[in-house]
Amino acid sequence: DAKTTQPTSMDCAEGRAANLPCNHSTISGNEYVYWYRQIHSQGPQYIIHGLKNNETNEMASLIITEDRKSSTLILPHATLRDTAVYYCIVWAGRANNLFFGTGTRLTVIP
Amino acid sequence: SAVISQKPSRDICQRGTSLTIQCQVDSQVTMMFWYRQQPGQSLTLIATANQGSEATYESGFVIDKFPISRPNLTFSTLTVSNMSPEDSSIYLCSALLPHGPVYEQYFGPGTRLTVT
Repeated sequence: DAKTTQPTSMDCAEGRAANLPCNHSTISGNEYVYWYRQIHSQGPQYIIHGLKNNETNEMASLIITEDRKSSTLILPHATLRDTAVYYCIVWAGRANNLFFGTGTRLTVIP
Repeated sequence: SAVISQKPSRDICQRGTSLTIQCQVDSQVTMMFWYRQQPGQSLTLIATANQGSEATYESGFVIDKFPISRPNLTFSTLTVSNMSPEDSSIYLCSALLPHGPVYEQYFGPGTRLTVT
């Protein structure tokens, strides 16, 4: 069952920040917010995850609202290679599979 | 992290034949999964590959059509049997590895199957 809502598609100018929103209003207290992306013809790639605090790594930043009902993935300086489908997934991080919704197709424009 | 490889990377097969896809992980993992991604669609879980026992299939997928083996903690195979054009998809292997208090799921590059 889909637990997240994402826009179907977004465009972003190269070099600008890409802000990808995700709504997860039914998230449980023990569930994390995970982000994956899938570049065309490749397997999904892990980006970042968080529970309630904002997180940053070498790829992206994750901003989670205080009520945890929504989050935003930020790619600070989008490049053409960031064009991909981005999946926001809520997951308890336990020993079971991820459920993939439809994701957001991000197109970075030169 | 984990590196997952799949063989073949792509194949074109005739209807009625079968194809076995191999998945190799570079470390021992507890759980492995097989997903299907039909053209233009998201990923759909086929089954959980259990080491030493029969795979656990999701609704709509059956063992006779998609037999799975998991002989050890680093390797699994998925067979697509008696293929039809509707089986044309990307088939993805994935594995769970612990990452601190939670798990991360890693994916192979996928096998692109075209059935003619």
